[in-house]
Amino acid sequence: QVQLQESGPGLVKPSGTLSLTCAVSGGSISSSNWWSWVRQPPGKGLEWIGEIYHSGSTNYNPSLKSRVTISVDKSKNQFSLKLSSVTAADTAVYYCARGWRFDPWGQGTLVTVSS
Amino acid sequence: DIQLTQSPSSLSASIGDKVTITCRSSQSISGFLNWYQEKPGKAPKVLIYATSSLQSGVPSRFTGRASGTLFRLTINSLQPEDSAIYYCQQSYITPWTFGQGTKVEIK
Repeated sequence: QVQLQESGPGLVKPSGTLSLTCAVSGGSISSSNWWSWVRQPPGKGLEWIGEIYHSGSTNYNPSLKSRVTISVDKSKNQFSLKLSSVTAADTAVYYCARGWRFDPWGQGTLVTVSS
Repeated sequence: DIQLTQSPSSLSASIGDKVTITCRSSQSISGFLNWYQEKPGKAPKVLIYATSSLQSGVPSRFTGRASGTLFRLTINSLQPEDSAIYYCQQSYITPWTFGQGTKVEIK
């Protein structure tokens, strides 16, 4: 079955850019699915960041749109998230997930924004 | 954005109890409502999608239904492993949004 795995730095400096990758295994990123990023600040609820289709089409949460870029690399069967100008408020567990009913999810990766 | 309001924010119930969590949408979402279970240190897991469809592998004690913009997740006969935080999420229109969560504890 499809599995997702996030990877990337766990610590980012304020005003820097957060970069994460989600590797897709057990299936093709070119299947008929959208691929999302979702985050969860410590002790708080879930926030959808944005999504991408294998064609490169994207949808972003307007609350983050000015700082977010999601891209896809079909040759590596993965998609990526870049979030610029980060602050402590961007400290969260970042998940990747498939589809409109998010399933499956990656295991999540904690990104801390701190100097 | 579509707002989803869950209630209660937390509850405590005994093993075997019937538990209901509600999620009210700020506008019609045509049944595009999903429910997730989140346990500490784990990614959320979808339980119910499209209001009432049970995700494969999810116990049948979990059921979902709707009345207009009010959605309900019911756990029939609460089990110890059901202790978790439950979230609703709308997949009607982007930005996809989540409820604030309901924490279910076992007495």
